[in-house]
Amino acid sequence: GENVEQHPSTLSVQEGDSAVIKCTYSDSASNYFPWYKQELGKGPQLIIDIRSNVGEKKDQRIAVTLNKTAKHFSLHITETQPEDSAVYFCAASYKAAGNKLTFGGGTRVLVKP
Amino acid sequence: DAMVIQNPRYQVTQFGKPVTLSCSQTLNHNVMYWYQQKSSQAPKLLFHYYDKDFNNEADTPDNFQSRRPNTSFCFLDIRSPGLGDAAMYLCATKPDRPTDTQYFGPGTRLTVL
Repeated sequence: GENVEQHPSTLSVQEGDSAVIKCTYSDSASNYFPWYKQELGKGPQLIIDIRSNVGEKKDQRIAVTLNKTAKHFSLHITETQPEDSAVYFCAASYKAAGNKLTFGGGTRVLVKP
Repeated sequence: DAMVIQNPRYQVTQFGKPVTLSCSQTLNHNVMYWYQQKSSQAPKLLFHYYDKDFNNEADTPDNFQSRRPNTSFCFLDIRSPGLGDAAMYLCATKPDRPTDTQYFGPGTRLTVL
């Protein structure tokens, strides 16, 4: 089955700086890669996603890049703000596996004012 | 607003006492998922429904059961909760097509005494 590894496990940045989280996946059949943000005591919220036919996607301060050959994808947050502090999960899925999400281990991001 | 609702948000039960968690959705999505998330870990899929078709994960203990009486509602039954079952339980939904996005509820925090 699919295996997703996520790094780093914790990330501390100064407000206004950029944050980058990286994930690798093992199954070349995976074709959908969402990123979720989870605040304390809440359910994960989708912040951005990318499909395997696209190399990069951007939404305001958030961008995701995908390298299918290397089987890795990254989340980039620019101009970080204290409200970006949360746990971020990457995930991978593909239709033949029932679209089941395989999650990375999570990254705890702390944005220091 | 269309959404995924979980009740209760916090549930306390005693060791061995059956407990039922509920999930409802106003999104009219075909697919519903139950995840278990332990502290500082990624969500782990327990099972999912595609309409009324139940799909159990191979490593989900028999102690966990589920019911989906209609499109809107799905229940998670824990027949004999153990201390190791204390966790956040997340419900998620997904339409059959065209998106692969899963929408998560806020979760139910289960405590086992």
